Amino acid sequence: GQQLNQSPQSMFIQEGEDVSMNCTSSSIFNTWLWYKQDPGEGPVLLIALYKAGELTSNGRLTAQFGITRKDSFLNISASIPSDVGIYFCAGFTTGGANSKLTFGKGITLSVRP
Amino acid sequence: GAVVSQHPSWVICKSGTSVKIECRSLDFQATTMFWYRQFPKQSLMLMATSNEGSKATYEQGVEKDKFLINHASLTLSTLTVTSAHPEDSSFYICSASPNRNEQFFGPGTRLTVL
Repeated sequence: GQQLNQSPQSMFIQEGEDVSMNCTSSSIFNTWLWYKQDPGEGPVLLIALYKAGELTSNGRLTAQFGITRKDSFLNISASIPSDVGIYFCAGFTTGGANSKLTFGKGITLSVRP
Repeated sequence: GAVVSQHPSWVICKSGTSVKIECRSLDFQATTMFWYRQFPKQSLMLMATSNEGSKATYEQGVEKDKFLINHASLTLSTLTVTSAHPEDSSFYICSASPNRNEQFFGPGTRLTVL
């Protein structure tokens, strides 16, 4: 089946630093989504990407949809303690009854004050 | 906008009982709702996809008779875990989709089966 690869499993950064997370796939996706999940909560949508090559920003977050439609990255600039959480990439293959999200395994981000 | 609620947020039940979890889209109509389960430190695993007014589509390995899904309206889907056992203890998360390109997640329901 389709898989999204996220690595490393954990990242540790200092407050104020920038961080970049990558997500790759062997399959093509039509839409890429980035979510953040806090402990005991559901994932919250951060950024949605709909076109290959698209670069989108949301505050300190920037994400790009790879030109091959098989990868995406998320950048967080000037990290703050509340950026701590698990970041999931997800790919959406639209198409009738088979439309569903495929999730990566997530990257746990820790921010040292 | 795009708020999804789940009720209850946590539930503890005895083995052998059934538990119903509700998922509501509060400010949009969801043509499709999805149910996931998540084990500690793992990713979300899709259990089933439900379209309003039709039968749910279950992922491979998910027992449809154990996890009953009802999507009676464009804003409400329910998941009933029947005859729950300790191995069913997990974090259950629903999502709702107003279109085919986005999913908005509920806050999750923590189920503990004793």
